[in-house]
Formats: sequence, structure tokens, C-alpha cells
Amino acid sequence: LAKTTQPISMDSYEGQEVNITCSHNNIATNDYITWYQQFPSQGPRFIIQGYKTKVTNEVASLFIPADRKSSTLSLPRVSLSDTAVYYCLVGVSKAAGNKLTFGGGTRVLVKP
Amino acid sequence: ETGVTQSPTHLIKTRGQQVTLRCSSQSGHNTVSWYQQALGQGPQFIFQYYREEENGRGNFPPRFSGLQFPNYSSELNVNALELDDSALYLCASSDQAARAGELFFGEGSRLTVL
Repeated sequence: LAKTTQPISMDSYEGQEVNITCSHNNIATNDYITWYQQFPSQGPRFIIQGYKTKVTNEVASLFIPADRKSSTLSLPRVSLSDTAVYYCLVGVSKAAGNKLTFGGGTRVLVKP
Repeated sequence: ETGVTQSPTHLIKTRGQQVTLRCSSQSGHNTVSWYQQALGQGPQFIFQYYREEENGRGNFPPRFSGLQFPNYSSELNVNALELDDSALYLCASSDQAARAGELFFGEGSRLTVL
């Protein structure tokens, strides 16, 4: 399975944009790139998924370069409630089913 | 539409005991997965059930076992508990026909083994 590398932690302030970059050099052709968010004492929550280029939803944007060896999750104008751990996952495909491999994630702390 | 619910939310056991954790999947979801999350780490895949059959297993010993029932609810059983089994156990449901990788997690059962 492709491994991912992402920062252990990041600090930000309310109203700023937070960008978390994830490296996945060995991503397979059929793999999607998926991001989850986890608040303390809760289960992870699906945020966004993409295969290439850019994907945007009401929560975040996901930027994927042409070589797909990395991806960047962008959280616009964060608030205190965006303090959470963010996980980047690859190895997600219809063939693999829903057996997810989580790494250590990035702890984002949003300060007032 | 109800989400994924797990019980109990917290429990304390001693080494050597057995534990059963329960999960009700989200309405309409036919697949249930279980994950173990140690403190400060990401969730680790234990196994998945689809239509009452085990459909994939992670690197966990046989003393971790499970069941899925006709209503798609599920149980995780752990025998001969060890101290390292202390963790948050997460259940996630999904629909095999839906987007790959989109799981809906419950809030977990926190197990402490003394």
C-alpha cells in the first residue's frame, strides 16, 4: 500500500487559510486521495476526495498535481472549531473496498 | 436517517477478560468495518464485514473476532485481553455501491485494560 507523509502538526489563527500537504510518491494508478478530519473523542469524518486536478466542496479544496505524488488540503478561513487531526489517505479504490489505512495525521491547532 | 451508534461508550476490563463491543450501522449501509485507535495514533483497520461475512482483515490476532447480523449491525469480540488492547474502538459503516473510501464512523468505544 502507498504510504503517506504529512506534517505532524500545524498552528494557525482564526480567519487564515490552512494548507496541509501530503506526499504519496508510490500512489497507484487506481488510487483516490481521501482526507478525513477527526475531532477529539469522535470518529473520523470524511472531508473530501479527489483523483486529479482540483476538487472543492463546502468544507475544503483539494489540489492534486499532474504527477499525483502529493496533494494539498486547503481549509479556507479557519475557525476555532477546525482544530482537529487531518488524515491523508491513499490506497482507496473500488477494488480495495473500504479498508482504509490511516497514518499519523496532522494536528491542526487554530488559535484566537 | 440515524448515524452509526456504538455501545458501550466506555468500559474497563482486566487482563485476560473478554469484551464485546456493539455497533449499529447507518441506515441503508451493508458494510461494517472496525478500527482500533491507540492514543495519539491514527485508526488501524481490524476487519470488515459485508453481508454477514468477513471481507478483509488487518494485522490483528485471531482473538479479535466479529459478527455481522442480518440487519447489518455488528459486534467486535476480543478474548484474552492484554494491556495493549487499551484503545478507542471505532465502527464505521458504508455502502459498497457508494463512493469508495467514504466511511461513516461512530464515536467509538473506549476500552481500558488494567
